[in-house]
Amino acid sequence: GAGVSQTPSNKVTEKGKYVELRCDPISGHTALYWYRQSLGQGPEFLIYFQGTGAADDSGLPNDRFFAVRPEGSVSTLKIQRTERGDSAVYLCASSPNAGPYEQYFGPGTRLTVT
Amino acid sequence: LAKTTQPISMDSYEGQEVNITCSHNNIATNDYITWYQQFPSQGPRFIIQGYKTKVTNEVASLFIPADRKSSTLSLPRVSLSDTAVYYCLVGDTNSGYALNFGKGTSLLVTP
Repeated sequence: GAGVSQTPSNKVTEKGKYVELRCDPISGHTALYWYRQSLGQGPEFLIYFQGTGAADDSGLPNDRFFAVRPEGSVSTLKIQRTERGDSAVYLCASSPNAGPYEQYFGPGTRLTVT
Repeated sequence: LAKTTQPISMDSYEGQEVNITCSHNNIATNDYITWYQQFPSQGPRFIIQGYKTKVTNEVASLFIPADRKSSTLSLPRVSLSDTAVYYCLVGDTNSGYALNFGKGTSLLVTP
């Protein structure tokens, strides 16, 4: 079946602009996660949704970052007033249930802030 | 979160068995041990998970000693396509959804 998809695959934006990154999880997966991966580092947790609600947003670096999942399926990560330090690959994952279980990752969106 | 320590990099020739050991000295009773694999320009992919003793699937084996302070991922007869970064993670059933990847082990397989 279809895996996790993310759009766009690449996004280049200017410093100070607003961006939205989209994630389509595997159908039926109630848990959805966002991670950020900088060059040479492992992915870092940002936020976790269980259904429509953000169950844990402790990884969001500051209030410029926000994510929604209004219908419990597709999620959008929103970044306001982008900074060059936001440049990274943003990964989305989903799983049937939450916990230390297998998470299915998408290919990521590479964000470059110039 | 239990911290993990694993080698930064490893090299191997095709056809060899590769063992990557991860230390997690302060692992908690409820923690599971999970390994992920990541190829360039792709998201991580789940390989194997265990709690104690030995777990084997079609891809790898995971060996966990009785004290659970370390674990070893074993890849039998690696091929060039096994070149990737391998991450060891530890997490419990309550907060383990927030995967803590660390830097991983970069495995290079050559002919």
